[in-house]
Amino acid sequence: GAGVSQSPSNKVTEKGKDVELRCDPISGHTALYWYRQSLGQGLEFLIYFQGNSAPDKSGLPSDRFSAERTGGSVSTLTIQRTQQEDSAVYLCASSFDGMNTEAFFGQGTRLTVV
Amino acid sequence: TQLLEQSPQFLSIQEGENLTVYCNSSSVFSSLQWYRQEPGEGPVLLVTVVTGGEVKKLKRLTFQFGDARKDSSLHITAAQPGDTGLYLCAGYNQAGTALIFGKGTTLSVSS
Repeated sequence: GAGVSQSPSNKVTEKGKDVELRCDPISGHTALYWYRQSLGQGLEFLIYFQGNSAPDKSGLPSDRFSAERTGGSVSTLTIQRTQQEDSAVYLCASSFDGMNTEAFFGQGTRLTVV
Repeated sequence: TQLLEQSPQFLSIQEGENLTVYCNSSSVFSSLQWYRQEPGEGPVLLVTVVTGGEVKKLKRLTFQFGDARKDSSLHITAAQPGDTGLYLCAGYNQAGTALIFGKGTTLSVSS
């Protein structure tokens, strides 16, 4: 596709369950970012990928959060043993090379933990 | 830690009014970006300012980068309901590995 694609668009899960969020970046973009956005708030950085490696994981809030990227393309953000405070919109972005270039965002996955 | 502080947090105005949104930091940024986000969508880049003192215009929107590259402002002239949204400033951290965002300014323009 032409833009960043995220799936699912909405996810409701029970507390304690694991969830996987998927991001398909723009083809050819080597840099990929995950962000978390709470209601009406700014974006909280989670993790940065350059290719398949993650040189900056400093924003992951706990060891329940992990992410991987395969083939320099699709990325998956996994949240284990979800808690209610994990409820938020999870946004993925990609950029051509990550070197201070424009980031293109997907529409996000709205996660609700009940 | 590099932080970006935006003000005001909320702004509700009438169509035709002018407004300014501010983005401030104690850190120097090589560039700052302004994004606009509408409900249910991801942020979309409006502009990138790179040079200290730079002024960029995008129709009724004027963006300025401070001389010291620590702050930026967004001025909207004759606001329209279509300008309603969340305005975010952002800058890359020193390592260039993370795009840091301010908390945003929620703008509501009523007709």
